[in-house]
Amino acid sequence: EVQLVESGGALVQPGGSLRLSCSASGFTFSNYAMSWVRQAPGKGLEWVSGVSSADNNTYYADSVRGRFTISRDNSKNTLYLRMNGLSAEDTAVYYCAKVDYYDGSGLDFDFWGQGTLVTVSS
Amino acid sequence: DIQMTQSPSSLSALVGDRVTITCRASQTISRHLNWYQQKGGKAPKLLIYGASYLQSGVPSRFSGSGSGTDFTLTISSLQPEDFATYYCQQSYSTPLTFGGGTRVEI
Repeated sequence: EVQLVESGGALVQPGGSLRLSCSASGFTFSNYAMSWVRQAPGKGLEWVSGVSSADNNTYYADSVRGRFTISRDNSKNTLYLRMNGLSAEDTAVYYCAKVDYYDGSGLDFDFWGQGTLVTVSS
Repeated sequence: DIQMTQSPSSLSALVGDRVTITCRASQTISRHLNWYQQKGGKAPKLLIYGASYLQSGVPSRFSGSGSGTDFTLTISSLQPEDFATYYCQQSYSTPLTFGGGTRVEI
């Protein structure tokens, strides 16, 4: 059974930093790209960042580029999101999601974690 | 960036109704369109990928269609457990983008 368990969410002050983790099990983690998707309170879903299976390609939304860094440790089956320069606009539940490919170039998020809440407030 | 526009933003329906949700992309995305269901603050669940492929374990009353810029999600006979918010998402290019969601209410 695929399981994704996020951790690291917390209350942090504006300008602060935080590192989220996502522990994966039930599949060969090193074979799959992964992503982070967030959801602000009462709002829709926003893709944040993605990383290829071998960690050599990373992708970011414009809203977080330069402040957030995605990484992975395939030996620990863990995905990370380092977040710097946090602002109130970053307040959200952060989900990690497993990426699956279809038709050669399409992709979807076929499994999601339960999410971890990041609150940015003074 | 590719903008995804869903309509309606919310709808009311009865159990047994046929429900259709539309999603329009701001430029062609071929068939790189996925649909998700989210209930009560829980994690989203993949329903449809590649515009029309049913994800394993998803009931056959859900179906998807479309290509290019216009897509639809259809629930053939709405069940009590289908009351939720539905999102489309394009995977044609980064940044990956979601529609604003459609809330299906009783």
